[in-house]
Amino acid sequence: AQRVTQPEKLLSVFKGAPVELKCNYSYSGSPELFWYVQYSRQRLQLLLRHISRESIKGFTADLNKGETSFHLKKPFAQEEDSAMYYCALIKSGTYKYIFGTGTRLKVLA
Amino acid sequence: EAEVAQSPRYKITEKSQAVAFWCDPISGHATLYWYRQILGQGPELLVQFQDESVVDDSQLPKDRFSAERLKGVDSTLKIQPAELGDSAMYLCASSRGLAENTGELFFGEGSRLTVL
Repeated sequence: AQRVTQPEKLLSVFKGAPVELKCNYSYSGSPELFWYVQYSRQRLQLLLRHISRESIKGFTADLNKGETSFHLKKPFAQEEDSAMYYCALIKSGTYKYIFGTGTRLKVLA
Repeated sequence: EAEVAQSPRYKITEKSQAVAFWCDPISGHATLYWYRQILGQGPELLVQFQDESVVDDSQLPKDRFSAERLKGVDSTLKIQPAELGDSAMYLCASSRGLAENTGELFFGEGSRLTVL
């Protein structure tokens, strides 16, 4: 069965420290993977997608098919990065999204 | 900037009562989704529409939940009768049509349901 796993419910780091939010998936085909973010009092929104190979707000994520992972990384965390982060996978051809349980990132001053 | 609209933002109801949620997607978005998010979990798909047609409702508890998108624009999600376990955030999202989808979902603010 397709599944997205985010092992950490809460991740606390100090401002300026590197951050890595883990995401592992199980999927039998070629997945499309995304990171969505929800800042306090805002709606859930797309942060980045693996096919774009882009850096958004300093965040990057590399799809590792061997390890079935799509970890989100940022070299220097900022306080404004504090939010809830969800990893998501699309079942190809259907655009049915499967979300992980989310990781709350707290960046401490 | 166009946004997905949902109402009501909050709903408190007693079990066995009926409740309805409304969603207006971004204009021109052919695909509409209803998700349920229980506290501490990620969004789970209830139903997906492509225009007015249901694409996927495999996770919709059809004995009590119903969803419609009659004109392929706005949508209503109904629960009848509500149960205690239905307490959750109900999120609506929309995206461009399947043929031109970039994969990005646009979410509404959600409707938080509390069943007493």
